[in-house]
Amino acid sequence: GQQLNQSPQSMFIQEGEDVSMNCTSSSIFNTWLWYKQEPGEGPVLLIALYKAGELTSNGRLTAQFGITRKDSFLNISASIPSDVGIYFCAGRINQAGTALIFGKGTTLSVSS
Amino acid sequence: EAQVTQNPRYLITVTGKKLTVTCSQNMNHEYMSWYRQDPGLGLRQIYYSMNVEVTDKGDVPEGYKVSRKEKRNFPLILESPSPNQTSLYFCASSLSGGHTQYFGPGTRLTVL
Repeated sequence: GQQLNQSPQSMFIQEGEDVSMNCTSSSIFNTWLWYKQEPGEGPVLLIALYKAGELTSNGRLTAQFGITRKDSFLNISASIPSDVGIYFCAGRINQAGTALIFGKGTTLSVSS
Repeated sequence: EAQVTQNPRYLITVTGKKLTVTCSQNMNHEYMSWYRQDPGLGLRQIYYSMNVEVTDKGDVPEGYKVSRKEKRNFPLILESPSPNQTSLYFCASSLSGGHTQYFGPGTRLTVL
């Protein structure tokens, strides 16, 4: 099936640092989503992107839908300990909502 | 409170013993979906349902069945579980196929 390449696989950073992670696909996507998962819980939506070139912020988080529609990135500015978790990108090829394809996740650790 | 609920949250069973994991949402969502999450593989879609009585295979449907007799419920059925179905399972729902999905808390299944 379709695959998303998400990188990096894991990050270990100091509190206050900025973080950047990205996802790429060989297929064109119509939707990009970024989720965060904390231990013992289901993924929670952070940002949804629906148009190529779209740049959207949610507090200290900023995500962009790549111009080629084959990639997306997520930035976290001034990280804090509660940013710890697994971040997943997800994409959908068809706007009518067939399969939602997930990246393998980026595990973020923040030391204070 | 708007939510997706799953039961049970934890289950240990033996090979071949049929089981059902229930999923229910109270948001009147049309779209529901099941995922499994495995280390290093991220989230993979098992089955999804665009509406009542409409179900389709995701990326990894083998060994699973679903039904959608009512809008709010979308049970996942393992007729003859095997150890390779040991995983963390998430149910998700959305207003329609093109909208963002909200995830349940997860069901950790162990098949011995």
